[in-house]
Formats: sequence, C-alpha cells, structure tokens
Amino acid sequence: GAVVSQHPSRVICKSGTSVKIECRSLDFQATTMFWYRQFPKQSLMLMATSNEGSKATYEQGVEKDKFLINHASLTLSTLTVTSAHPEDSSFYICSALALAQETQYFGPGTRLLVL
Amino acid sequence: GESVGLHLPTLSVQEGDNSIINCAYSNSASDYFIWYKQESGKGPQFIIDIRSNMDKRQGQRVTVLLNKTVKHLSLQIAATQPGDSAVYFCAERGGNKLVFGAGTILRVKS
Repeated sequence: GAVVSQHPSRVICKSGTSVKIECRSLDFQATTMFWYRQFPKQSLMLMATSNEGSKATYEQGVEKDKFLINHASLTLSTLTVTSAHPEDSSFYICSALALAQETQYFGPGTRLLVL
Repeated sequence: GESVGLHLPTLSVQEGDNSIINCAYSNSASDYFIWYKQESGKGPQFIIDIRSNMDKRQGQRVTVLLNKTVKHLSLQIAATQPGDSAVYFCAERGGNKLVFGAGTILRVKS
C-alpha cells in the first residue's frame, strides 16, 4: 500500500505555544488529505479535509483559526495547532487520498501533549 | 456528525480460532466500505475494502461481508494470531469523507 509519513511522531509543548505537524505522501500524489484526532479508546474524528491549493474544509465544531491547515503541494499538508492548551492533547492522524483512488492511507499519527 | 466511539467492545478469541467483528453503518447511500486495523500508538492500517455492489470479498485470511438490507458489515479473520490483536474499525464512505465506526478491540489469547 501507499506510504504516508507524519512528523513529529511525538511532541510535548507548553501551553500557549503553537505546534506544527507535517503529513507527507511518500510514493504518490495526494490530491486530498484529511486530518483526524483521536482520544484514548475512541474512534477517529474527522477535523478537516484539505485539497491541494485550496482552503481546507472544516467539520462542524472544529475551529479553523485554532487548527490551521495548509496543503501547499501534492505531497505535503501541515496542521498547526495554535496557542495550544492541555485540552488539545490528543493523537492527531492524517490520511491521504490519491487522485482516482478510493482508499485513504493513514500516517502513523502524532501524539501531542500540552503541559 | 462523525461517529464517536466510547467504551469500545472487546472480542477475546483463542489463538487459532476464527474471529468475527461486526459493524453497523449508518448511511444507506454509502457506496464503499473499509476495514482498518489500528495497533496501539499507530495509525490505522488498511485491511480490506468492499464496494456496495458486492456482498462478499476475500483477502488473505480475511473476509468482509456486507448486508445492505440491515446496514451491517462484518470482518472475519481466519486462524487468528497474536499479531491480530488490535482495534478494528469499519469505515463507510459518504461523499469524499470516511465515517468511522466505534471500533472493536480484538484480544487474542495464546
């Protein structure tokens, strides 16, 4: 299957700082990327959908000014958690969808801990 | 809204036995379904998919069954191994988005 990477895999930051998470499709071009968050023992919750070169579409209840998404190229999308607070601590996972493909391939996730 | 799972159900099976994991989906218009496996601290891993015009699809040691009448999806794992221990999620495609089910924890006893 296709390979999607995320960086960093784990990050600890102080409350009030911003954190950037990168998602890369390594062996295919991803026209669409998705960002999810997952709390312990829960399912994945879609936060936003990003298409290369256009603004992201956010799910209801997700603050677009807090979770900034940029999809500048066909292989890279970034999620920036601005002014992070302890309640933002979670597992953030991206997925990528290739043009004319049906299957979303997921990255390994980024564990964010805000102190 | 998106599906959120709380208090994931657990399926415990003996090594070598077959496992059946069930999932009820919500949207009768969904045309594509996927099963993912997620190990602790990792992202979901694709297992097998099925389109809505099929009712069964087989992979290596896995079979997915789709019953559109009752909006039910199941994943069968043959000869379950310790490495199969993980959380399993079904997902249905609505538009370009995936909606995930609550997930089931599979524990394999040796």
